[in-house]
Amino acid sequence: EPEVTQTPSHQVTQMGQEVILRCVPISNHLYFYWYRQILGQKVEFLVSFYNNEISEKSEIFDDQFSVERPDGSNFTLKIRSTKLEDSAMYFCASSPLRGGLAGGRADTQYFGPGTRLTVL
Amino acid sequence: KNEVEQSPQNLTAQEGEFITINCSYSVGISALHWLQQHPGGGIVSLFMLSSGKKKHGRLIATINIQEKHSSLHITASHPRDSAVYICAVSRDDKIIFGKGTRLHILP
Repeated sequence: EPEVTQTPSHQVTQMGQEVILRCVPISNHLYFYWYRQILGQKVEFLVSFYNNEISEKSEIFDDQFSVERPDGSNFTLKIRSTKLEDSAMYFCASSPLRGGLAGGRADTQYFGPGTRLTVL
Repeated sequence: KNEVEQSPQNLTAQEGEFITINCSYSVGISALHWLQQHPGGGIVSLFMLSSGKKKHGRLIATINIQEKHSSLHITASHPRDSAVYICAVSRDDKIIFGKGTRLHILP
């Protein structure tokens, strides 16, 4: 069964360093998402991506964050200058159809196993 | 106030019991999701529904759009059902998550 994969499973970095988290969505999916979960807290939406552009982002997703689909298979989340509070589990997800109200019907999202980011 | 509220926050039950987890939301949605987060952290989508009721094995999910309320039921619960169950709603192009219900089924 196809699945979403994420690398690395665990990333440790120093505060102020740039990190890139990688995701390979399911191949025929069109919508891509990043979420984060700080330890002990609820999952939070970061960004959704469709047709090579951001379709929606949360207030968490500030100028330090960016997403890219560089080669048609990978979907990356970059944090330019990490802060201690960026330490969290980051989940990538993909869906075949749009996950929201405008212009399409919601569809099931398939989650990757997550990347645990630790900022020291 | 959270846009998605779940109850209870924690639930411990004996194997075989019928489990109900509730979710209320306060915003317009296109769909509601029930997710399961395993102790290791992985997230699995259980249901996505926009009306009525869905059943998969021992799991049943219902939604009442007028009342903005959904329930997840587990029949004949088993220790392997122990996990965090998360209610989330699709709104525009994002998903809003509840805080989750931690379920522990005792053998």
